[in-house]
Amino acid sequence: QVQLVESGGDLVKPGGSLRLSCAASGFTFSDYYMTWIRQAPGKGLEWISYISGSGRTIFYADSVKGRFTISRDNAKNSLYLQLNSLRAEDTAVYYCARDTRAVADDPPDYWGQGTLVIVSS
Amino acid sequence: QLVLTQSPSASASLGASVKLTCTLSSGHSGYTIAWHQQQPEKGPRYLMKLNRDGSHSKGDGIPDRFSGSSSGAERYLTISSLQSEDEADYYCQTWGTGIRVFGGGTKLTVL
Repeated sequence: QVQLVESGGDLVKPGGSLRLSCAASGFTFSDYYMTWIRQAPGKGLEWISYISGSGRTIFYADSVKGRFTISRDNAKNSLYLQLNSLRAEDTAVYYCARDTRAVADDPPDYWGQGTLVIVSS
Repeated sequence: QLVLTQSPSASASLGASVKLTCTLSSGHSGYTIAWHQQQPEKGPRYLMKLNRDGSHSKGDGIPDRFSGSSSGAERYLTISSLQSEDEADYYCQTWGTGIRVFGGGTKLTVL
């Protein structure tokens, strides 16, 4: 069965950095785009970034462009999100989700349980 | 600009049916969307992909009580025979090259 397990969330000071990980299992990881989505406390879902199966295609939301970096290691079935120059408004639960295959046009169909990032002094 | 609009809240009685609405922004009425459910204190769960013609494909293990339909720029999620565990936030979502967009979510209360 498909499983996505995020880790790396923590309390960090404004301006600090953090690296989130998402361990995937139960499917051929390299066949799928992967996406990061976050949810601030009491708020809705916000898409942050996605990456193609090969890692060659990457897009970011304007709110994180230039500060966050998505990457993947297909040999380790892992997805990453490097968070730099963190701000209080980046405080959220961060979810990874399995996105479409390159040959399809599908939405994210499996989600992890999330990892909490708190940005506070 | 690609935007999805949802009513903030909805309510219906146990055992009844409810129809949630997601509206695509002007110029985007042909987009396919997805519906996701988020129960309290849990991560989201994918429910279905819903096309402009109303055809839909559901995620693994999603009960038959959940169905989708479309009309113009509106996309609907209907939940029949409401159960207590259906009390949750429901998000519609769409996508294109370089973008993924979520609606603001509808909080469903089961009375």
